[in-house]
Amino acid sequence: NAGVMQNPRHLVRRRGQEARLRCSPMKGHSHVYWYRQLPEEGLKFMVYLQKENIIDESGMPKERFSAEFPKEGPSILRIQQVVRGDSAAYFCASSHGLAGFYNEQFFGPGTRLTVL
Amino acid sequence: QKEVEQNSGPLSVPEGAIASLNCTYSDRVSQSFFWYRQYSGKSPELIMSIYSNGDKEDGRFTAQLNKASQYVSLLIRDSQPSDSATYLCAVSGGNDYKLSFGAGTTVTVRA
Repeated sequence: NAGVMQNPRHLVRRRGQEARLRCSPMKGHSHVYWYRQLPEEGLKFMVYLQKENIIDESGMPKERFSAEFPKEGPSILRIQQVVRGDSAAYFCASSHGLAGFYNEQFFGPGTRLTVL
Repeated sequence: QKEVEQNSGPLSVPEGAIASLNCTYSDRVSQSFFWYRQYSGKSPELIMSIYSNGDKEDGRFTAQLNKASQYVSLLIRDSQPSDSATYLCAVSGGNDYKLSFGAGTTVTVRA
C-alpha cells in the first residue's frame, strides 16, 4: 500500500547544472501533478500529466523546465541550467483522475532542491 | 489560477479548545474543496475533502462548505499539541483538475 514516492529527497546542484526529480504515483493512480513551494511561500501548481501526455503545464516556467510521464517508469521533472531561484521544495501528487469531483490528490514527501 | 484566501495567522489556541479556520475562493465554478495539514519541513497531508454544501465530520475535524458565499471552513475540536501545523485550503473544479492553494494558516496548540 505504498504512497507517492519521490526521489531524491534532497538534491544539491550548482548553478548551471541539471536537476532531475522523480515521482512514482500511488498504486492505482494514473494522474500526476507537480507543485513547487518556494521558501515562505504557498504551494503553486506547475504541471499535470497522465501517462505519455501533458494535460496542463500552465504553471510551469516556459524555459528550462520540462516534465514527462512515460508509459513505463516514474514521472520526471527536469530543470536545466538551474539558478538560485529554483531552490525550493518540489512536491508530486497523484490521484485516480475521476472526472470533476473527488479529485483527491495525495502528496509525496517532496524533493528539496538547493542550488549553490 | 483560482484565488484562495485564508484567514491570516498564526492562530494560537489552548489545548482542548476549538480551532476555527476560514477560507474563501474566487471562482464560482469550483467544485472540490480540500484541507491539508503540513508540518514544518514535511509534505501536505490530506485531512478533509468536501463537495456539497453543509457540514462533513471526520473525528475531531468538521469541514463546512457554503458555495453561495464561496466559503469553506475547518473546525478542529478538542485541539491537541499534535495539531500544531500549517493548514492549507485547496480548491479545484470545473474542467480544472489542478489545486489552487491558499497561503495557509499556522495553528499552535498551547499545552
